[in-house]
Amino acid sequence: QQQVKQSPQSLIVQKGGISIINCAYENTAFDYFPWYQQFPGKGPALLIAIRPDVSEKKEGRFTISFNKSAKQFSLHIMDSQPGDSATYFCAASNAKIIFGKGTRLHILP
Amino acid sequence: SQTIHQWPATLVQPVGSPLSLECTVEGTSNPNLYWYRQAAGRGLQLLFYSVGIGQISSEVPQNLSASRPQDRQFILSSKKLLLSDSGFYLCAWSTEDASNQPQHFGDGTRLSIL
Repeated sequence: QQQVKQSPQSLIVQKGGISIINCAYENTAFDYFPWYQQFPGKGPALLIAIRPDVSEKKEGRFTISFNKSAKQFSLHIMDSQPGDSATYFCAASNAKIIFGKGTRLHILP
Repeated sequence: SQTIHQWPATLVQPVGSPLSLECTVEGTSNPNLYWYRQAAGRGLQLLFYSVGIGQISSEVPQNLSASRPQDRQFILSSKKLLLSDSGFYLCAWSTEDASNQPQHFGDGTRLSIL
């Protein structure tokens, strides 16, 4: 019940395309859903986060879509760029934070 | 602003040797502190977390231990390293009220055991 399932494991997108990463959770007590971006050799960095009282949050080219009834949330990267190539982690938390297993995104130049 | 420092960035150690990795946080008081391990191409495994000086919770049984001698200092240790201890070790902090707050990560230590 504490798991966060993330898919796909890896993703290849053409430059300018839309990258979509999906996550699903089971514990309805989760009330904070952050996404992290990690470049090789670096620690994960907070990218964008959402709380369950809204269905969508947008920051620049990054959008989180949140479906509370389905217990699913997703990250959309619009106009994907080679610099977006990284590993992305979704997470869910209440008192503890649970991370998904990550998606390795590669944007083709 | 808050910053988190981890060192060393890279470490190569022989099997059976001791280990000490250090993490410090600046610009905040009473942070929650965390140690994670990330195997190559894998997710984040929480090893230890601390809500205050001397307070350590272990998430998985293992060959490692953690200590928090000061409010903003978190140390990961081992008396005798195993080959399976190789990995990328990440320290993180969050505000004292951990719910609904992000964790902020350091840049990690790449540990290789020979």
